[in-house]
Amino acid sequence: KAGVTQTPRYLIKTRGQQVTLSCSPISGHRSVSWYQQTPGQGLQFLFEYFSETQRNKGNFPGRFSGRQFSNSRSEMNVSTLELGDSALYLCASSGSLDNLGEKLFFGSGTQLSVL
Amino acid sequence: GENVEQHPSTLSVQEGDSAVIKCTYSDSASNYFPWYKQELGKGPQLIIDIRSNVGEKKDQRIAVTLNKTAKHFSLHITETQPEDSAVYFCAASDDSSASKIIFGSGTRLSIRP
Repeated sequence: KAGVTQTPRYLIKTRGQQVTLSCSPISGHRSVSWYQQTPGQGLQFLFEYFSETQRNKGNFPGRFSGRQFSNSRSEMNVSTLELGDSALYLCASSGSLDNLGEKLFFGSGTQLSVL
Repeated sequence: GENVEQHPSTLSVQEGDSAVIKCTYSDSASNYFPWYKQELGKGPQLIIDIRSNVGEKKDQRIAVTLNKTAKHFSLHITETQPEDSAVYFCAASDDSSASKIIFGSGTRLSIRP
């Protein structure tokens, strides 16, 4: 079974630009969550999508948004990039018939650098 | 809301020795406690988890213990090997939704040859 796939692996952007990250969950998983990982703040929850609907949202500004498609693939968008947005963005999928909903399966992440 | 504290932040042990990482949580409603291992350049991977109705769980060299009264849980790795070097995260959740999982700050484990 293929794991969670995140693209691109690395991104370099400048302040003020916007960026879109993509995540393909494990086949059969309907929940996709996004996390921001930084050395100082650890793993911080951004939002979760389930069946194309945002189910929960973390404490991030409105510049961070996401969506989920009918095939469960998800994208997250960050507009008006700031230097502090530099981080590893992780996507995790969960929820299938043979797993409890809490078990998170992470992708390798997208390393975003804002210059 | 839930708060998870993890100690130590770094840990260095001799190959073959045991390693112990400890976490405490604040919300007595938490009932699910997973542990994740993150290797360099990769995302966190679930290595073991425990529910509040179980006091201990073991999987080969890895074991997790839970003390609900004291609200703390621990990861034990025995007979450590070089491939155990990684960052380990504990987490706690009181809901079946993945988004309710709160992570600890992580422990960087180094295995000395």
